[in-house]
Amino acid sequence: GENVEQHPSTLSVQEGDSAVIKCTYSDSASNYFPWYKQELGKRPQLIIDIRSNVGEKKDQRIAVTLNKTAKHFSLHITETQPEDSAVYFCAALGDDYKLSFGAGTTVTVRA
Amino acid sequence: DTGVSQDPRHKITKRGQNVTFRCDPISEHNRLYWYRQTLGQGPEFLTYFQNEAQLEKSRLLSDRFSAERPKGSFSTLEIQRTEQGDSAMYLCASSLDLRTSEQFFGPGTRLTVL
Repeated sequence: GENVEQHPSTLSVQEGDSAVIKCTYSDSASNYFPWYKQELGKRPQLIIDIRSNVGEKKDQRIAVTLNKTAKHFSLHITETQPEDSAVYFCAALGDDYKLSFGAGTTVTVRA
Repeated sequence: DTGVSQDPRHKITKRGQNVTFRCDPISEHNRLYWYRQTLGQGPEFLTYFQNEAQLEKSRLLSDRFSAERPKGSFSTLEIQRTEQGDSAMYLCASSLDLRTSEQFFGPGTRLTVL
């Protein structure tokens, strides 16, 4: 099955700086990679996703890059704001239709 | 509310009791998923349905766990003879019947087994 590893587990950034979270996956058949944001006590919510036929996708301050050869993908948040503080999960959809999640990154944006 | 809903939101039970959770997906979504999330971890896949058919079950799902989706709409997850290790957040998600469709999550049911 798919195995997704996520780093770092915690990330503290100054407001306005950038945050980068990296994930690796094991199943070369995986072709869909969503990123979810989960605030304390709330449900995970999709913030951006990327499919294997593209290498990069951007949505305002959020961007995701995918390197299929190396089997890793990254989330970039620019100009961080206090409301970006949350736990972020990467995930990969394997050939078996199952989403495998990373362990999460707790992002804290310091004002 | 047109999102995924789950009931109850919280459940406290004693070890050995049976519990049942319900998930109502977004109405046009054919696929329904159950996940378990423990503190400090990402959601772990348990099982999923396409319409009423249960297509995949994780090895995490012991014989004490059973899930149904009898009419291809709402789903139930039952845990028999609960153990303290079952304490977790149980999340339901639904999606359209396309492999790379976004999965929309419900608010979860937090289970505490005493």
